[in-house]
Order: sequence, then structure tokens, then C-alpha cells
Amino acid sequence: AQKITQTQPGMFVQEKEAVTLDCTYDTSDPSYGLFWYKQPSSGEMIFLIYQGSYDQQNATEGRYSLNFQKARKSANLVISASQLGDSAMYFCAMREGQGDYKLSFGAGTTVTVRA
Amino acid sequence: DSGVTQTPKHLITATGQRVTLRCSPRSGDLSVYWYQQSLDQGLQFLIQYYNGEERAKGNILERFSAQQFPDLHSELNLSSLELGDSALYFCASSVRTGIAYEQYFGPGTRLTVT
Repeated sequence: AQKITQTQPGMFVQEKEAVTLDCTYDTSDPSYGLFWYKQPSSGEMIFLIYQGSYDQQNATEGRYSLNFQKARKSANLVISASQLGDSAMYFCAMREGQGDYKLSFGAGTTVTVRA
Repeated sequence: DSGVTQTPKHLITATGQRVTLRCSPRSGDLSVYWYQQSLDQGLQFLIQYYNGEERAKGNILERFSAQQFPDLHSELNLSSLELGDSALYFCASSVRTGIAYEQYFGPGTRLTVT
């Protein structure tokens, strides 16, 4: 079964507007971490934000915030005030507390910011 | 710049050949992970090393092997290459292994098998 599901293959957003990228996850482990990475066209993977399963508050990092709804098993990324440089592929990933700490990635969502 | 370096950036080779991809983790990071990104499989975890020892294995083929050296750099060896091995190979590192430690990715090595 898919551990991470990103249902939006591609999205367009107007510059300066906010965009929400959906991510749902599947785990029976009570201890897990959720990550978002950005992959621009140049190919590198850039870490954006982290949310732990026991964190009480939603994570925020600058213009990035994570809307964590534990009961619904969703961890949506919100990018506020979009910029042209935000155009990229965005991946949601999860790490589970089972002793090996690999990341399981979703299929990604391509975001294109329009001027 | 994540601080993780990978060489080479691009590699073009023929089927049946063997290649070695090299990764230097961020200074102080003990844990190294290898991932493969392909169009059909997406991003897949291959293998993890922690302070020189293999820690976890994912969808790594028997034709592939890796090691982490005393200076903590790591190498991924791919042999008997097939067309389907063409992919972007990432190395990532983290200071420790654990739930909360984010992994910092290198720029990747793009392997093309012809």
C-alpha cells in the first residue's frame, strides 16, 4: 500500500497568492515524522519543513507552513505569497519509527507560479 | 548548497558496465542514505549506512552494493548495468539516525545507460 499519497500531479498559482499542496499518509506507527522537499528543475532536493507526530503545533518555516491533521492523516503544505522561484516539484515524505529511518516519498506535485 | 557532495554529476555508460557513484556527507553527519529517482518508480530508498555500518536496506538490487568508509564518505557500486538503471541517484546525510533528523540531499548523479 502507498504510504504517501499526493493526488495533485500539477498546479498553477498566481504570483503572490497562496497555494496548498495535499499530502495524506498511511502508517500504524504512533511515532513518525513528515517532511516536505522541493525539487527545482535543476534536480537537487531541498528540505523545506518537518512535522513530528507528537508535535502539538503546526510547523512553520518562513513562507512554508504545514497543516497537520493527525486524525485525517494529512500533512498539507501551504506556501504563502508565491514567488516565481517557487516553481518546482514538491515531495511529501514520511519516516516511521521502526528502526530504519528511510524516507518514503509521494509521487510529487508540480507547482508552476505565473507572473 | 546542502553541504553534501556527489560525483560525478553525469555519467553515461553502456549496458553491462559497472560504475561507482561517490558521496561525501555534510561535515559531522554520520548517516548516509542512497535513493534512486526514476520516472516509473519515483523516489525509492536503496540503502542506509550509519558510521560505517549498513543500517537498512530498501529496494536495492543484488547488482548494486554500497559501503561507507572510515572518513564517512560513501560509494554506491552499480554493476551489470541495464537500460532500466538509468535514473538520478541521490545521496543524503543526517547527523544521526532518527525520526526528527532531516536528511540533506546532494545534487545527485544522473546515470544514463545506453
